[in-house]
Amino acid sequence: DIQLTQSPSFLSASVGDRVTITCRASQAISSYLAWYQQKPGKAPKLLIYAVSTLQSGVPSRFSGSGFGTEFTLTISSLQPEDFATYYCQQLNSYPWTFGQGTKVEIK
Amino acid sequence: EVQLVQSGAEVKKPGESLKISCKGSGYSFTSQWVGWVRQMPGKGLEWMGSIYPGDSDTRYSPSFQGQVTISADKSISTAYLQWSSLKASDTAMYYCARQIRRDGPNDYWGQGTLVTVSS
Repeated sequence: DIQLTQSPSFLSASVGDRVTITCRASQAISSYLAWYQQKPGKAPKLLIYAVSTLQSGVPSRFSGSGFGTEFTLTISSLQPEDFATYYCQQLNSYPWTFGQGTKVEIK
Repeated sequence: EVQLVQSGAEVKKPGESLKISCKGSGYSFTSQWVGWVRQMPGKGLEWMGSIYPGDSDTRYSPSFQGQVTISADKSISTAYLQWSSLKASDTAMYYCARQIRRDGPNDYWGQGTLVTVSS
């Protein structure tokens, strides 16, 4: 199985901060990488797929980059509604796997 | 409007069987894969498997193969996840979610079904 390791697992930030979350894969996954946001008690929400394609309706402050084994999710200016847990997912090969999650909390 | 509506919360005893459902609407149910994702209490997301309702082609994660059965009834646009003998460790929230394509991520999600297994 392809392992995905997110860093950090937890981050504390303020509204307006630029936030970057990294996802490292145990082997190359080409561009088959997606990012989700999950708020407490809610289903995950797709933010970005194919590394950098913004899902319809997702604010442009979210962006993704990377290739191969290292990927990043960036929030250019953190908003109050962005405090949540973020997961990366690889869809390069079965079984699809998720990172362990990064919880973004208010500083 | 695309919607996936899941069946309600369940409380079961170890050893009991269970089948939960996920009804799709607002799109061609037979033309897009539907996946199931487990989230244990306070934990992360785990992909369990996916099904293509058009022909019932199914993929399982090895971690769940043999532990659950994924199926679909295209005549009523509904996917299912079932257990023949529940364990306490099956206690979790289970989500169904539509996939953009066969190897694509999940763009629409159900609201989740909480399964509690306790004696």
